[in-house]
Amino acid sequence: NAGVTQTPKFRVLKTGQSMTLLCAQDMNHEYMYWYRQDPGMGLRLIHYSVGEGTTAKGEVPDGYNVSRLKKQNFLLGLESAAPSQTSVYFCASKIHPRGARRDEQYFGPGTRLTVT
Amino acid sequence: AQTVTQSQPEMSVQEAETVTLSCTYDTSESNYYLFWYKQPPSRQMILVIRQEAYKQQNATENRFSVNFQKAAKSFSLKISDSQLGDTAMYFCAFMKHDAGNMLTFGGGTRLMVKP
Repeated sequence: NAGVTQTPKFRVLKTGQSMTLLCAQDMNHEYMYWYRQDPGMGLRLIHYSVGEGTTAKGEVPDGYNVSRLKKQNFLLGLESAAPSQTSVYFCASKIHPRGARRDEQYFGPGTRLTVT
Repeated sequence: AQTVTQSQPEMSVQEAETVTLSCTYDTSESNYYLFWYKQPPSRQMILVIRQEAYKQQNATENRFSVNFQKAAKSFSLKISDSQLGDTAMYFCAFMKHDAGNMLTFGGGTRLMVKP
């Protein structure tokens, strides 16, 4: 099992460029999340999904879009990157709330994004 | 909305000694989970310990234990017999029982274990 993987690991963008971050999990988890971590801070939720075809906004959704077309993948898009979006992005997944170990989120290794 | 506060930005401890990291939270919920995550320099988020709010008994995982005071909304982490590998950022996090099971994180405490 690879667990939760994120692609790419690093990326540098110029202001106004677009990109998509890919999160993939092979644990058949229902729930998936995108967080961002700014220097010296905890993680903040951007968007999340409770199942294939569903998405919802988190605490800091502005400037981002997401899609969950397949259960195992959760994509995070930046349509027009801004320097304020320079951050480390983490994806996480979790089993359905009625499953075993239903409270634990499993995190990917993170993507460091710099917008110049 | 929930808030999680970690009042100690940085702490240090000598190897083999004990250290306690503080966390307080604010919520109107009665049923929720609390967590401590470790983030070493590799950046990977690692779950250290969890506590379910309805359980009065404090959680323990080997050298890690918590002091959960529900009425005071306090959730501290005690690390016994500190090891050099414990050097990391530690985050306290809150999860309520709702449709999204989202995590709310504190700002983190940077722990340095000195030889």
